[in-house]
Amino acid sequence: AQSVTQLDSHVSVSEGTPVLLRCNYSSSYSPSLFWYVQHPNKGLQLLLKYTSAATLVKGINGFEAEFKKSETSFHLTKPSAHMSDAAEYFCVLGSARQLTFGSGTQLTVLP
Amino acid sequence: DAGVIQSPRHEVTEMGQEVTLRCKPISGHNSLFWYRQTMMRGLELLIYFNNNVPIDDSGMPEDRFSAKMPNASFSTLKIQPSEPRDSAVYFCASSAAAGGNLNQPQHFGDGTRLSIL
Repeated sequence: AQSVTQLDSHVSVSEGTPVLLRCNYSSSYSPSLFWYVQHPNKGLQLLLKYTSAATLVKGINGFEAEFKKSETSFHLTKPSAHMSDAAEYFCVLGSARQLTFGSGTQLTVLP
Repeated sequence: DAGVIQSPRHEVTEMGQEVTLRCKPISGHNSLFWYRQTMMRGLELLIYFNNNVPIDDSGMPEDRFSAKMPNASFSTLKIQPSEPRDSAVYFCASSAAAGGNLNQPQHFGDGTRLSIL
């Protein structure tokens, strides 16, 4: 069995300040982990993926995530938030035959 | 490069009517997924295909729902008869994954917003 927990359902930051969206996972196998972003009235868009290569993964729009096996975490970060980053973010765990979505984190960026 | 294309973008219909949602995956992708998203239940995987063959339909809510993939470039999700509780946004996604593995990134369409009155 596998599971994904996004620790915050809502996160608010001010524009220009760092973003941290937290994700913990549980898996019996070497996981593939993804972060997706969903803007209003849009489908999910891939931000970045971890597939057992480098533990620090860089994605689009300045986002990055670090895979920490000892902490079973895959937190998403960005040094400086932009208004356009306001959206919902999903952490996803994939294996050969199972796909598990986190419940999502709504990011609000305040001016 | 065209992404995943879904149609219609919006559908409003009365309960009891048949609803057909359509999806064109990215050319060359061999896996196709149908999802439903609601405020109450979040994002749910309904069914997925690999090489046009249904692999797992355990997420299909009931017999009123059916999905087909007659060829590599087209899939439909049908609800018959439709009910108000089917109102949701339905997403189609595709990926290039050997053997239908679920460990590859997916490309999502922009969804069909379905309202059943």
